[in-house]
Amino acid sequence: EDQVTQSPEALRLQEGESSSLNCSYTVSGLRGLFWYRQDPGKGPEFLFTLYSAGEEKEKERLKATLTKKESFLHITAPKPEDSATYLCAVHVNQAGTALIFGKGTTLSVSS
Amino acid sequence: DSGVTQTPKHLITATGQRVTLRCSPRSGDLSVYWYQQSLDQGLQFLIQYYNGEERAKGNILERFSAQQFPDLHSELNLSSLELGDSALYFCASSGGTADQETQYFGPGTRLLVL
Repeated sequence: EDQVTQSPEALRLQEGESSSLNCSYTVSGLRGLFWYRQDPGKGPEFLFTLYSAGEEKEKERLKATLTKKESFLHITAPKPEDSATYLCAVHVNQAGTALIFGKGTTLSVSS
Repeated sequence: DSGVTQTPKHLITATGQRVTLRCSPRSGDLSVYWYQQSLDQGLQFLIQYYNGEERAKGNILERFSAQQFPDLHSELNLSSLELGDSALYFCASSGGTADQETQYFGPGTRLLVL
């Protein structure tokens, strides 16, 4: 069964304290890995798509990387406005299949 | 703003009732997806439509149904509602069926069944 596991479930950081969020997956035929940010009561906001091992993408203080078994979302010098739930999702090699989401990591950044 | 719109934002109803959730995809997008998000289950895929045709089904209950209209907007119908159906329902859209296309999510409809 295809699975996506995110860790930790929750992470508290001080402003400026860099860290990483993990997304590990066991799927048959990965066709893409997606990172989304979700604020409370809002819809997920697209951040990155990664397609192959070794790929990296950056946006402001965020950097996403991908290996054959996991992805990391690195947050450099976070600010309070980075506080949100970060969701990882995979698109697998089955016709018509939509995204399989992990349960997310809730990040709190305090000043 | 993702360009995906959903109505209503909030819905409060009673057990046994039927409701309809509406979604308008981004301009030009042909695929619409419906997801349910509850506290314990996270985001779960329900169903996908592409250009008016059902494309894929996920964990959708038989009490739930959906359709996509010629103008590409979609409706999710939930009937014989139970307390456990209370959740956030999201619609997402993408350009087509290509597996690597990004899905953009709407703001969601919060359903509360009393």
